[in-house]
Order: sequence, then structure tokens, then C-alpha cells
Amino acid sequence: KQEVTQIPAALSVPEGENLVLNCSFTDSAIYNLQWFRQDPGKGLTSLLLIQSSQREQTSGRLNASLDKSSGRSTLYIAASQPGDSATYLCAVSYNTDKLIFGTGTRLQVFP
Amino acid sequence: NAGVMQNPRHLVRRRGQEARLRCSPVKGHSHVYWYRQLPEEGLKFMVYLQKENIIDESGMPKERFSAEFPKEGPSILRIQQVVRGDSAAYFCASSPLAGGPGTQYFGPGTRLTVL
Repeated sequence: KQEVTQIPAALSVPEGENLVLNCSFTDSAIYNLQWFRQDPGKGLTSLLLIQSSQREQTSGRLNASLDKSSGRSTLYIAASQPGDSATYLCAVSYNTDKLIFGTGTRLQVFP
Repeated sequence: NAGVMQNPRHLVRRRGQEARLRCSPVKGHSHVYWYRQLPEEGLKFMVYLQKENIIDESGMPKERFSAEFPKEGPSILRIQQVVRGDSAAYFCASSPLAGGPGTQYFGPGTRLTVL
């Protein structure tokens, strides 16, 4: 069964800390992996997309790595800010259609 | 440049009524996906449609749920005879290509509450 797990489920840190969010997937034959941000009561914002042939992607203070063979991805957030508070979702696709989501990491960054 | 639009944003129904959720994809996108997010859970795939075709409905409940994406107009997710367990956020996403290098673009969701 293709499953995605994210740890930790929740994280509360002071502003300025560097963070690592983890995502693991049971079937390593992924097509691509995405990290999303979801704000309460809102939709999803795509943060980073990593194709199966890539090892990492960077956007500003965000860096996502992918290790297909071990079935893992990490999202690194540098110098966290209160505005980073949200739920972060990892999702993988195995073919041309559906995304399989993890249950998310709920992040709170306090001033 | 409008993104994915969903309406209504909030929908309240009594048990036994019908719920109709609409999704207008990004202009030019011909692939639509519906996902459901139950309270405190992750998003679960429901159905993938192209214009006038259902490509993958493996995540759709067998009864009461149906989806369409007509040649003209928005995609519709229809839930007949709603029950309390249908209360959830329903998200639509669209993409220009099937699983291509682009991402799926998500709408803001419709939050369905069944009383």
C-alpha cells in the first residue's frame, strides 16, 4: 500500500530557529514529490516540486531534499518567522494522476 | 489571471439533502482532480477527470457520490443524501498536463457542513 507519513505531527518553535520537517513514503517508485503549505481555512500553496530524478530544490529560505532509495524527503526552513506558521503537507505521485498526501506537520513559530 | 475557483466556499446541508460543489479550473487546464479532507486528516484523492471523461475514480465512495467535467462549464462534485460523515473540506485541483512537469493548482476548497 502506498502511504506517506510526516513527522513530527506538530512543532512549536521560537522565531529564528532552523527547522527540519520529515516525510517518508512506502513505495520509492515515485514520479515526483511536492511540499505544500496550508493555512487554516484556506487552500493549498505549492512550495516546492521535486522530480524523481532530482535530489533537491530551493526557494528562498526553503530547501527540500529527496532520497528516493530510502523513501524520504526533508523540508528545511531557515531562520523561521511567525509568518511561517501553517500546516506543511508532503505529497507524492506515482503516475499521471492522483497525489498521495501525508497528514501534515502543524508548525507554530512564536515571536 | 484567475486560479482555480470553487464555489460555494461554505455549504450547509441537512441530512438527506443534496450537495453540489463546483470547480472552475485554471483557464486552459483540461485536467481536474477532487480531494477530500476530513477533520484532522490529510487530503484523500477522490476522482480525476478530463473533459467529458472520468479517468480515475478509485477514491470515490461507491454510493451517493458522482463527478463530472462537461465540455463546457465547471466540474461538479455531487453528493446525494448527505450524511454527517460527509462533513469535510473538498478541494479541487487542475493541471495543464497529466502528471507533467507542472504542479496541480489547488482551489480554496468548499467546506461542507452536514447538520
